[in-house]
Amino acid sequence: DGGITQSPKYLFRKEGQNVTLSCEQNLNHDAMYWYRQDPGQGLRLIYYSQIVNDFQKGDIAEGYSVSREKKESFPLTVTSAQKNPTAFYLCASSIGGLEVYEQFFGPGTRLTVL
Amino acid sequence: AQSVTQLGSHVSVSEGALVLLRCNYSSSVPPYLFWYVQYPNQGLQLLLKYTTGATLVKGINGFEAEFKKSETSFHLTKPSAHMSDAAEYFCAVRTHDKVIFGPGTSLSVIP
Repeated sequence: DGGITQSPKYLFRKEGQNVTLSCEQNLNHDAMYWYRQDPGQGLRLIYYSQIVNDFQKGDIAEGYSVSREKKESFPLTVTSAQKNPTAFYLCASSIGGLEVYEQFFGPGTRLTVL
Repeated sequence: AQSVTQLGSHVSVSEGALVLLRCNYSSSVPPYLFWYVQYPNQGLQLLLKYTTGATLVKGINGFEAEFKKSETSFHLTKPSAHMSDAAEYFCAVRTHDKVIFGPGTSLSVIP
């Protein structure tokens, strides 16, 4: 079955540590996205990538970094510079190109900083 | 700039009653509009979308939405609520290269 997988489902981190969230898709989609979700704030875009080896900052990129070395993978690193990283993180993908079609979402990773 | 507003962060309906979730948007390009549903601790699932053509769009689970350009609205409806409809609902509008989501409406269904 085609879809998007995110791992781990739950992640705990100590303050000052970097942590990487995994996102893999087998939908053959060009575009991939990372969102952060906080209670009552909806989804906020962190980074997105329309094509391999290229990505753009979203609305809240500070304290995060990404890479897009393969079409299927778009890992997100939450760095120690992110002041309030505890949140639910969602990865998504879409066909991409100039037209944005619907996005397909992974199940999410809940990150808690201890 | 594109934006999405959803009136009512929380809506409660009785089981069997009409569901109406409101969405208004602003867009400088012809809008593509989406409704997504999110169940607790899960990702988002597409309910329906409007791109072009018929303004009344039917989606999964008995939901539908109507695109009204004059009102810049895309309200989501379902004639009869079911307990399984309790979830968070997000309206979204596409820009040139990404999608902007509204803040979400939490739907509760009262037995």
